[in-house]
Amino acid sequence: EPEVTQTPSHQVTQMGQEVILRCVPISNHLYFYWYRQILGQKVEFLVSFYNNEISEKSEIFDDQFSVERPDGSNFTLKIRSTKLEDSAMYFCASSGEYYGYTFGSGTRLTVV
Amino acid sequence: KNEVEQSPQNLTAQEGEFITINCSYSVGISALHWLQQHPGGGIVSLFMLSSGKKKHGRLIATINIQEKHSSLHITASHPRDSAVYICAVSSGGSQGNLIFGKGTKLSVKP
Repeated sequence: EPEVTQTPSHQVTQMGQEVILRCVPISNHLYFYWYRQILGQKVEFLVSFYNNEISEKSEIFDDQFSVERPDGSNFTLKIRSTKLEDSAMYFCASSGEYYGYTFGSGTRLTVV
Repeated sequence: KNEVEQSPQNLTAQEGEFITINCSYSVGISALHWLQQHPGGGIVSLFMLSSGKKKHGRLIATINIQEKHSSLHITASHPRDSAVYICAVSSGGSQGNLIFGKGTKLSVKP
């Protein structure tokens, strides 16, 4: 069964540094998403992406965040200047007509 | 006010028991998802429902659109079913962003 692949699985970064989280969605999916889950809390929507542009974003997704689809397969989330409160598990997901909604295994980001 | 409420928050069962997890929502939806999250953190999609009932193995999911309520049932529970079960809703069918509940932590004892 097709999978959504996320890299890295863990990342530790210093406060103020930029991080890029990478995702390879399912190839015939057209909708891509980023979610985050702060430890002990529920999963929260960050942004959705369709047809090479942002289709919806939450209040969390401020100017520190950006998303890109730099080529035909990768989908990235960039945090420009990380803060301690950005420490969370970040999930990429994709959806489409086939295979429904599929999540990646997540990237655990720790900001120190 | 939470848009998606789950109950119970925590559930401990003996192996073999029949388990029910409930989800209520307050927004208009086009689909409801049941998801499973294991201790390692990964999220697996179990069901997507817009009406009626779906069954997969020992898992059954039902939804009542009029009452804005869904249930996830596990028959003949097993320790490997231990996980967090999450209800999430979307307004865009299979393509919309999801609003998540807080999850129900299930522990099945042998």
